[in-house]
Amino acid sequence: DIQMTQSPSSMSVSLGDRVTITCRASQDIGKFLSWFQQKPERSPKLMIFGATNLEAGVPSRFSGSGSGSDYSLTINSLESEDTGIYFCLQHKEYPFSFGSGTKVEIK
Amino acid sequence: EVNLLESGGGLVQPGGSLRLSCAASGFTFTDFYMTWIRQPPGKAPEWLGVIRNKGNAYTTEYNPSVEGRFTISRDNTQNILYLQLNTLRPEDTAIYYCVRYQFGRLDAWGQGTSVTVSS
Repeated sequence: DIQMTQSPSSMSVSLGDRVTITCRASQDIGKFLSWFQQKPERSPKLMIFGATNLEAGVPSRFSGSGSGSDYSLTINSLESEDTGIYFCLQHKEYPFSFGSGTKVEIK
Repeated sequence: EVNLLESGGGLVQPGGSLRLSCAASGFTFTDFYMTWIRQPPGKAPEWLGVIRNKGNAYTTEYNPSVEGRFTISRDNTQNILYLQLNTLRPEDTAIYYCVRYQFGRLDAWGQGTSVTVSS
């Protein structure tokens, strides 16, 4: 099974800061990587798929990058509505697997 | 509008069973793979399994962590996805989500149904 190592586990940042979250897969996952945002008591929301593709309706300050086994989610100029927990997911092969999550808070 | 509505969760004793349902609307159900994902309190989500679409004969794949205890099925006449949970354990306590999956996108999630396994 593919293991996903996500970091950091939490971060406290200021409004307007640039945020970068990383996920490392235990093997090459060929850009089969998605990012989700989860607000308290809500279902996860797809933000990025295919490592770099922005889901419809997601603000352009979000971007994804990476290849092979290393991937990143970047939020340019953090806004208050961007707080929450972010998860990565590999869907290269079954069983799909999630990262452990990154909690983003406002400082 | 795509809508997924789970039901069937609740409190169950260890060793018990439950069947979760997910009513789908707003899209052609048979065209899509459907998955179940669960999230224990305060933890990351866990992918449980998938049932493929009509073009792929509705075949299934499971996470080895639940294979043999959980079964995914679908009623394509009523647009309902099911998850049968057997031999439940306290560690199965979680919110269970049904999620639409196609072309690399887990793009539509239900609101989830809560399962608590406790004596």
